[in-house]
Amino acid sequence: DAGVIQSPRHEVTEMGQEVTLRCKPISGHNSLFWYRQTMMRGLELLIYFNNNVPIDDSGMPEDRFSAKMPNASFSTLKIQPSEPRDSAVYFCASSFLEPGTNTGELFFGEGSRLTVL
Amino acid sequence: GQQVMQIPQYQHVQEGEDFTTYCNSSTTLSNIQWYKQRPGGHPVFLIQLVKSGEVKKQKRLTFQFGEAKKNSSLHITATQTTDVGTYFCAAYHPTVYNFNKFYFGSGTKLNVKP
Repeated sequence: DAGVIQSPRHEVTEMGQEVTLRCKPISGHNSLFWYRQTMMRGLELLIYFNNNVPIDDSGMPEDRFSAKMPNASFSTLKIQPSEPRDSAVYFCASSFLEPGTNTGELFFGEGSRLTVL
Repeated sequence: GQQVMQIPQYQHVQEGEDFTTYCNSSTTLSNIQWYKQRPGGHPVFLIQLVKSGEVKKQKRLTFQFGEAKKNSSLHITATQTTDVGTYFCAAYHPTVYNFNKFYFGSGTKLNVKP
Protein backbone atom coordinates (compact mmCIF):
# COMPACT_ATOMS: atom_id res chain seq x y z
CA ASP A 1 0.00 0.00 0.00
CA ALA A 2 1.25 3.50 -0.80
CA GLY A 3 0.27 4.89 2.58
CA VAL A 4 -1.64 8.10 3.16
CA ILE A 5 -1.15 10.44 0.23
CA GLN A 6 -1.39 14.20 0.60
CA SER A 7 -1.17 16.96 -1.94
CA PRO A 8 0.23 19.45 -2.45
CA ARG A 9 3.40 18.89 -0.43
CA HIS A 10 4.12 22.60 -0.42
CA GLU A 11 1.86 25.55 -1.05
CA VAL A 12 2.75 29.21 -1.00
CA THR A 13 -0.13 31.59 -1.44
CA GLU A 14 -1.11 35.14 -0.72
CA MET A 15 -3.45 36.26 2.01
CA GLY A 16 -7.07 36.09 0.93
CA GLN A 17 -6.61 33.25 -1.52
CA GLU A 18 -8.43 29.96 -1.25
CA VAL A 19 -6.36 26.92 -0.33
CA THR A 20 -7.43 23.31 -0.84
CA LEU A 21 -5.47 20.46 0.67
CA ARG A 22 -6.16 16.89 -0.42
CA CYS A 23 -5.82 13.52 1.21
CA LYS A 24 -6.17 9.94 0.07
CA PRO A 25 -6.33 7.59 3.08
CA ILE A 26 -5.07 4.04 3.13
CA SER A 27 -7.49 1.75 1.38
CA GLY A 28 -9.73 -0.06 3.86
CA HIS A 29 -9.28 2.46 6.66
CA ASN A 30 -12.54 3.78 8.08
CA SER A 31 -11.33 6.84 10.01
CA LEU A 32 -9.63 9.97 8.74
CA PHE A 33 -8.10 12.84 10.69
CA TRP A 34 -6.81 16.30 9.82
CA TYR A 35 -4.11 17.72 12.09
CA ARG A 36 -2.28 21.03 12.02
CA GLN A 37 1.26 21.36 13.35
CA THR A 38 2.97 24.61 14.36
CA MET A 39 5.88 25.38 16.61
CA MET A 40 3.65 27.32 18.97
CA ARG A 41 0.71 24.91 19.27
CA GLY A 42 2.17 21.53 18.37
CA LEU A 43 -0.14 18.96 16.82
CA GLU A 44 -3.77 20.06 16.88
CA LEU A 45 -6.65 17.86 15.83
CA LEU A 46 -8.88 19.84 13.47
CA ILE A 47 -11.53 17.34 12.48
CA TYR A 48 -12.05 13.65 12.12
CA PHE A 49 -14.35 11.44 10.08
CA ASN A 50 -15.60 7.95 10.67
CA ASN A 51 -17.04 6.09 7.69
CA ASN A 52 -16.96 9.40 5.77
CA VAL A 53 -19.11 11.16 8.37
CA PRO A 54 -17.64 14.13 10.30
CA ILE A 55 -17.67 13.09 13.96
CA ASP A 56 -16.05 16.07 15.63
CA ASP A 57 -15.03 19.37 14.09
CA SER A 58 -14.54 21.24 17.35
CA GLY A 59 -10.88 21.74 16.52
CA MET A 60 -11.58 23.67 13.33
CA PRO A 61 -10.31 27.19 14.06
CA GLU A 62 -13.12 29.18 12.49
CA ASP A 63 -15.58 29.35 9.64
CA ARG A 64 -12.81 29.93 7.16
CA PHE A 65 -11.93 26.26 7.52
CA SER A 66 -14.05 23.48 6.07
CA ALA A 67 -13.46 19.79 5.44
CA LYS A 68 -15.26 17.22 3.35
CA MET A 69 -15.04 13.50 2.76
CA PRO A 70 -17.23 12.70 -0.24
CA ASN A 71 -16.12 9.06 -0.32
CA ALA A 72 -13.91 6.60 1.51
CA SER A 73 -10.85 7.38 -0.60
CA PHE A 74 -10.75 11.15 -0.62
CA SER A 75 -10.90 14.13 1.71
CA THR A 76 -10.27 17.84 1.38
CA LEU A 77 -9.47 20.60 3.81
CA LYS A 78 -10.28 24.05 2.52
CA ILE A 79 -9.28 27.44 3.86
CA GLN A 80 -11.10 30.43 2.42
CA PRO A 81 -9.90 33.13 2.74
CA SER A 82 -6.42 32.20 3.92
CA GLU A 83 -4.48 34.32 6.42
CA PRO A 84 -0.79 34.40 7.38
CA ARG A 85 -1.58 32.78 10.75
CA ASP A 86 -2.80 29.71 8.87
CA SER A 87 0.79 28.95 7.88
CA ALA A 88 1.57 25.48 9.22
CA VAL A 89 2.08 21.88 8.24
CA TYR A 90 -1.24 20.12 7.75
CA PHE A 91 -1.26 16.38 8.26
CA CYS A 92 -3.86 13.91 7.22
CA ALA A 93 -3.95 10.56 9.05
CA SER A 94 -6.07 7.47 8.64
CA SER A 95 -6.85 4.53 10.86
CA PHE A 96 -8.81 1.32 10.86
CA LEU A 97 -11.11 0.76 13.80
CA GLU A 98 -12.17 -2.83 14.19
CA PRO A 99 -15.80 -3.33 15.18
CA GLY A 100 -16.06 -3.29 18.94
CA THR A 101 -12.85 -1.36 19.47
CA ASN A 102 -12.32 2.36 19.64
CA THR A 103 -8.61 2.91 19.16
CA GLY A 104 -6.13 2.17 16.46
CA GLU A 105 -2.78 3.18 15.09
CA LEU A 106 -2.75 6.45 13.16
CA PHE A 107 -0.98 6.43 9.81
CA PHE A 108 0.12 9.92 8.86
CA GLY A 109 0.71 11.33 5.42
CA GLU A 110 3.84 13.33 4.72
CA GLY A 111 2.00 16.58 5.26
CA SER A 112 1.24 19.73 3.29
CA ARG A 113 3.39 22.70 4.24
CA LEU A 114 1.34 25.86 3.79
CA THR A 115 2.81 29.34 3.72
CA VAL A 116 0.43 32.28 3.50
CA LEU A 117 2.15 35.56 2.70
CA GLY B 1 -10.40 18.84 26.51
CA GLN B 2 -7.92 16.23 27.56
CA GLN B 3 -4.66 17.82 28.70
CA VAL B 4 -1.55 15.75 28.31
CA MET B 5 1.67 17.27 29.61
CA GLN B 6 4.93 16.03 28.25
CA ILE B 7 8.39 16.72 29.67
CA PRO B 8 11.07 17.66 29.00
CA GLN B 9 10.52 19.87 25.98
CA TYR B 10 14.09 19.35 24.77
CA GLN B 11 16.83 16.90 25.59
CA HIS B 12 20.38 16.94 24.32
CA VAL B 13 22.44 13.83 25.00
CA GLN B 14 25.76 12.40 23.99
CA GLU B 15 25.54 9.29 21.88
CA GLY B 16 25.47 6.29 24.18
CA GLU B 17 23.64 8.08 26.99
CA ASP B 18 20.14 7.14 28.04
CA PHE B 19 17.04 9.26 27.42
CA THR B 20 13.61 9.37 29.03
CA THR B 21 10.50 11.37 28.22
CA TYR B 22 7.43 11.53 30.43
CA CYS B 23 3.77 12.02 29.71
CA ASN B 24 1.37 13.04 32.48
CA SER B 25 -2.37 13.49 32.69
CA SER B 26 -4.60 14.81 35.44
CA THR B 27 -7.25 12.26 34.55
CA THR B 28 -7.19 8.51 34.03
CA LEU B 29 -6.44 7.54 30.48
CA SER B 30 -7.98 4.68 28.54
CA ASN B 31 -4.77 4.01 26.71
CA ILE B 32 -1.79 5.85 25.34
CA GLN B 33 0.19 5.77 22.13
CA TRP B 34 3.72 6.91 21.35
CA TYR B 35 4.89 8.39 18.06
CA LYS B 36 8.23 9.49 16.67
CA GLN B 37 8.67 12.32 14.20
CA ARG B 38 12.00 12.74 12.46
CA PRO B 39 13.05 16.28 11.50
CA GLY B 40 11.05 17.31 8.45
CA GLY B 41 9.02 14.11 8.62
CA HIS B 42 5.66 12.95 9.81
CA PRO B 43 4.68 11.21 13.06
CA VAL B 44 5.17 7.46 12.96
CA PHE B 45 3.44 5.11 15.38
CA LEU B 46 5.68 3.31 17.85
CA ILE B 47 3.41 1.55 20.32
CA GLN B 48 0.12 1.52 22.22
CA LEU B 49 -0.22 0.79 25.93
CA VAL B 50 -3.55 -0.27 27.36
CA LYS B 51 -3.16 -2.04 30.68
CA SER B 52 -2.33 -0.52 34.05
CA GLY B 53 1.37 -0.99 34.82
CA GLU B 54 2.08 -2.30 31.33
CA VAL B 55 5.70 -2.42 30.18
CA LYS B 56 6.65 -3.04 26.57
CA LYS B 57 10.05 -3.18 24.94
CA GLN B 58 11.21 -2.58 21.39
CA LYS B 59 14.94 -3.21 21.20
CA ARG B 60 16.48 -0.24 23.06
CA LEU B 61 13.09 1.42 23.71
CA THR B 62 11.09 0.68 26.87
CA PHE B 63 7.55 1.97 27.28
CA GLN B 64 5.68 2.08 30.57
CA PHE B 65 2.09 2.85 31.54
CA GLY B 66 1.58 3.93 35.13
CA GLU B 67 -0.40 1.88 37.63
CA ALA B 68 -3.02 4.61 37.86
CA LYS B 69 -3.04 5.04 34.06
CA LYS B 70 -2.29 8.73 34.46
CA ASN B 71 1.28 8.74 33.25
CA SER B 72 3.57 7.03 30.81
CA SER B 73 7.23 7.07 29.92
CA LEU B 74 9.50 6.21 27.03
CA HIS B 75 13.08 5.27 27.84
CA ILE B 76 15.82 4.81 25.27
CA THR B 77 18.94 2.96 26.34
CA ALA B 78 22.28 3.91 24.80
CA THR B 79 21.01 6.49 22.33
CA GLN B 80 22.19 6.52 18.74
CA THR B 81 22.12 9.34 16.19
CA THR B 82 19.24 7.54 14.48
CA ASP B 83 17.13 8.26 17.58
CA VAL B 84 17.09 11.99 16.79
CA GLY B 85 13.57 13.35 16.46
CA THR B 86 10.56 14.43 18.45
CA TYR B 87 8.72 11.88 20.55
CA PHE B 88 5.03 12.42 21.17
CA CYS B 89 2.62 10.71 23.48
CA ALA B 90 -1.01 10.68 22.43
CA ALA B 91 -3.73 10.06 24.97
CA TYR B 92 -7.06 8.61 24.09
CA HIS B 93 -9.97 10.59 25.45
CA PRO B 94 -13.28 8.76 25.33
CA THR B 95 -16.05 10.81 23.84
CA VAL B 96 -19.75 10.22 23.71
CA TYR B 97 -19.15 8.76 20.30
CA ASN B 98 -16.39 6.58 21.67
CA PHE B 99 -14.22 6.97 18.65
CA ASN B 100 -10.49 7.17 18.19
CA LYS B 101 -9.83 10.74 19.26
CA PHE B 102 -6.34 11.42 20.43
CA TYR B 103 -4.81 14.45 22.00
CA PHE B 104 -1.10 14.75 21.39
CA GLY B 105 1.36 15.92 23.99
CA SER B 106 3.67 18.80 23.09
CA GLY B 107 6.51 16.39 22.34
CA THR B 108 10.10 15.98 23.51
CA LYS B 109 12.72 16.93 20.97
CA LEU B 110 15.77 14.67 21.26
CA ASN B 111 19.14 15.66 19.89
CA VAL B 112 21.98 13.16 19.98
CA LYS B 113 25.55 14.34 19.64
CA PRO B 114 27.87 11.85 18.01
